[in-house]
Amino acid sequence: GAVVSQHPSWVICKSGTSVKIECRSLDFQATTMFWYRQFPKQSLMLMATSNEGSKATYEQGVEKDKFLINHASLTLSTLTVTSAHPEDSSFYICSARDPTSGIYEQYFGPGTRLTVT
Amino acid sequence: AQTVTQSQPEMSVQEAETVTLSCTYDTSESNYYLFWYKQPPSRQMILVIRQEAYKQQNATENRFSVNFQKAAKSFSLKISDSQLGDTAMYFCAFMLSGTYKYIFGTGTRLKVLA
Repeated sequence: GAVVSQHPSWVICKSGTSVKIECRSLDFQATTMFWYRQFPKQSLMLMATSNEGSKATYEQGVEKDKFLINHASLTLSTLTVTSAHPEDSSFYICSARDPTSGIYEQYFGPGTRLTVT
Repeated sequence: AQTVTQSQPEMSVQEAETVTLSCTYDTSESNYYLFWYKQPPSRQMILVIRQEAYKQQNATENRFSVNFQKAAKSFSLKISDSQLGDTAMYFCAFMLSGTYKYIFGTGTRLKVLA
């Protein structure tokens, strides 16, 4: 099946710095990718939809200036957490859909654990 | 707005036994998809089973089957012959046709006991 990778798998950064997380579709081209956030022992909450070649669409309540999303190619979307604070510590998961597959579900990356100290 | 409810935060089952996880959802739309995802300790989301709302027949995948009751907006997952590897968090998810966005329930933590 299709594979989605994320890098890094975990990252620790200091408060006030920015950190970039990459999401790649390895064997298919993804015109749309999605970014989720998952707090410990909680569900996945959709943050934004990343569209190749256009601006991301953010869910209500998600700060677009805080969570910058760039989808510069058909296989790569990046999430940059700017001026990170401890409350941004979370597990971030991306997913991607293969538009040529004829199926509607998405493939999930393995996630990135962000810890802000 | 659509919502997904999983009323069982935790469940346990003996190895080789059968367990059913509950899920209800709320929508006024008629075209949608329903999913069960498994999230083991590795945190990788794994698709267990999917159901198209327009299909009356319940989906099955090996030991996993669903009981889809569209009128009642219920979508339960039955795991037969439970195995230790089934221990994981299970999320029920709803996707409105054409949106490709998941709405996840709060999850049920399943522990299979040896």
